[in-house]
Amino acid sequence: GQNIDQPTEMTATEGAIVQINCTYQTSGFNGLFWYQQHAGEAPTFLSYNVLDGLEEKGRFSSFLSRSKGYSYLLLKELQMKDSASYLCAVRDRNYQLIWGAGTKLIIKP
Amino acid sequence: SAVISQKPSRDICQRGTSLTIQCQVDSQVTMMFWYRQQPGQSLTLIATANQGSEATYESGFVIDKFPISRPNLTFSTLTVSNMSPEDSSIYLCSVEDGESGSSSGANVLTFGAGSRLTVL
Repeated sequence: GQNIDQPTEMTATEGAIVQINCTYQTSGFNGLFWYQQHAGEAPTFLSYNVLDGLEEKGRFSSFLSRSKGYSYLLLKELQMKDSASYLCAVRDRNYQLIWGAGTKLIIKP
Repeated sequence: SAVISQKPSRDICQRGTSLTIQCQVDSQVTMMFWYRQQPGQSLTLIATANQGSEATYESGFVIDKFPISRPNLTFSTLTVSNMSPEDSSIYLCSVEDGESGSSSGANVLTFGAGSRLTVL
């Protein structure tokens, strides 16, 4: 079966750096997405990786290693507003999106 | 990027009743997707709604339980029929937004704000 694993919850301190990992086992691979979802709100797109390496977008970066079935989302200079759930999703060979359960990130002052 | 209006935002329903969720997009889209998000779980695709044809349902979801309408390219409804407490969940509609994803080459999903249903 297809599976996406990410930690259930993480805690970090305002101003620090946090890395949220995602490992996947899917039938084929056609891209990996990270979404942010604040409590009670819709998920919003953060980043997309289809080739190995690092994609940087301001305070957020996302890394992909297809050979390892692994990605991480790196958040720098954490702010209180970064408290949210972060969802990892992979498109399989049939272009179906497989979603992880999300990582709830708690930022403490 | 596309703007999606979804309603109701939340509702409390009695067992055995049905509720229809509406989703309006501010641009024409070919496909609209209906998801369910149960507490602490991943997003699960219920069905894909295509204008002018029957919706395509994912494994574990059937039309009798989740009938979908797609009367035009900007609107869709999902009905949760004969509800039970197990149907308590957040239901989200979404569209593929080529505009917001174009810089990265991805087909990015834009979501409505969701409808939180509680079935008693």
